[in-house]
Amino acid sequence: GQQLNQSPQSMFIQEGEDVSMNCTSSSIFNTWLWYKQDPGEGPVLLIALYKAGELTSNGRLTAQFGITRKDSFLNISASIPSDVGIYFCAGQLFKAAGNKLTFGGGTRVLVKP
Amino acid sequence: ETGVTQSPTHLIKTRGQQVTLRCSSQSGHNTVSWYQQALGQGPQFIFQYYREEENGRGNFPPRFSGLQFPNYSSELNVNALELDDSALYLCASSSRQGSPLHFGNGTRLTVT
Repeated sequence: GQQLNQSPQSMFIQEGEDVSMNCTSSSIFNTWLWYKQDPGEGPVLLIALYKAGELTSNGRLTAQFGITRKDSFLNISASIPSDVGIYFCAGQLFKAAGNKLTFGGGTRVLVKP
Repeated sequence: ETGVTQSPTHLIKTRGQQVTLRCSSQSGHNTVSWYQQALGQGPQFIFQYYREEENGRGNFPPRFSGLQFPNYSSELNVNALELDDSALYLCASSSRQGSPLHFGNGTRLTVT
């Protein structure tokens, strides 16, 4: 089955820093999505990407759909304390059973002590 | 516009019991999906319902079943609970098949 590898698994941020995380797949997807999950809550959609090569921004967040359709990255610029949380990438393949999302294992973003 | 709401928020059950989790879709959304999220992992697709019919299923046994009602609310039923069923169960809705999913805050199920 399809596997999504998300890296890094965790990272520490300092306020004002730019951070980057990525996701790679063993097979192609038609849509890439990035979600953020805070403790005790469900994932919240950040960015949706629909076309290979597409670069999309949402405030301080920028994400790209890789040309090969097997990868995506998410950048956060000028990080702030509320950026702490778990970020998940998810791929979707048209006509897959139930249009299911395949999720990565998550990148846990923590604040540097 | 109300978002996806799930109930209950927490639940403790004993191995072998049955459980029903409930979900109200976001207004205007006719497609609902259920996901299981084990601790420290990404969500795993259980199944999706569209127009009250199951139209896709992940790698979960038949003791996981669901319903979607005419008002697009939904239930997830799990029979013969096992310890490994302990997880956060997430409901997500979308306005049409293939459009981005919007998740509820989940039901935390603990099986002892």
